[in-house]
Amino acid sequence: QAVVTQEPSLTVSPGGTVTLTCGSSTGAVTSGHYPYWFQQKPGQAPRTLIYDTSNKHSWTPARFSGSLLGGKAALTLSGAQPEDEAEYYCLLSYSGAHVVFGGGTKLTVL
Amino acid sequence: EVQLVESGGGLVKPGGSLRLSCAASGFTFSNAWMSWVRQAPGKGLEWVGRIKSKTDGGTTDYAAPVKGRFTISRDDSKNTLYLQMNSLKTEDTAVYYCTTGSPSYIAVAGNAFDIWGQGTMVTVSS
Repeated sequence: QAVVTQEPSLTVSPGGTVTLTCGSSTGAVTSGHYPYWFQQKPGQAPRTLIYDTSNKHSWTPARFSGSLLGGKAALTLSGAQPEDEAEYYCLLSYSGAHVVFGGGTKLTVL
Repeated sequence: EVQLVESGGGLVKPGGSLRLSCAASGFTFSNAWMSWVRQAPGKGLEWVGRIKSKTDGGTTDYAAPVKGRFTISRDDSKNTLYLQMNSLKTEDTAVYYCTTGSPSYIAVAGNAFDIWGQGTMVTVSS
């Protein structure tokens, strides 16, 4: 089974910019992995921010964006707000039903 | 409003069984591919399995740790998804979420995880 890797933790200053990445043990992440990004705050269910690499839902704040960067999927937060402090998970799809979540990145806004 | 509401969690002894439910509303449930995802205390998210719509065959797929022990089913007349968990182990202790997404996106990507329930806690302990 593939392993999906994320930074365990990152810190960003209020108003600052940070990029979270999502790599695959099988090689470069491509649009064919249909990358997802989720935000989860303590005691809450995950909330989907980004799907299909870079597509946003109606509820996704404009300051979040998704892309492919250096062979990984990336989530960029531009203009961090205190309410963005959360755990962020990516998910990659491998041939049909085989999907794998990353281990999560704990983002601190400080 | 699109909504998923899980229920049925609780405390069960190792080796026991439990059935979780996920009630769906606000969308055409019969067209939806549905998935279960779990999260052990203090840990990350783990895909458990999925069931396709009956139109697409109604087949199921499972993650290796639960294959042969868990069964996903659906009752489209009740707009409800189920997760039957047998031979439970302590490592199955987790919050269990049901999730789904747009059928048109699933047709392209094979999976979708856009709408989530609030989760139901399952504790396996003696």
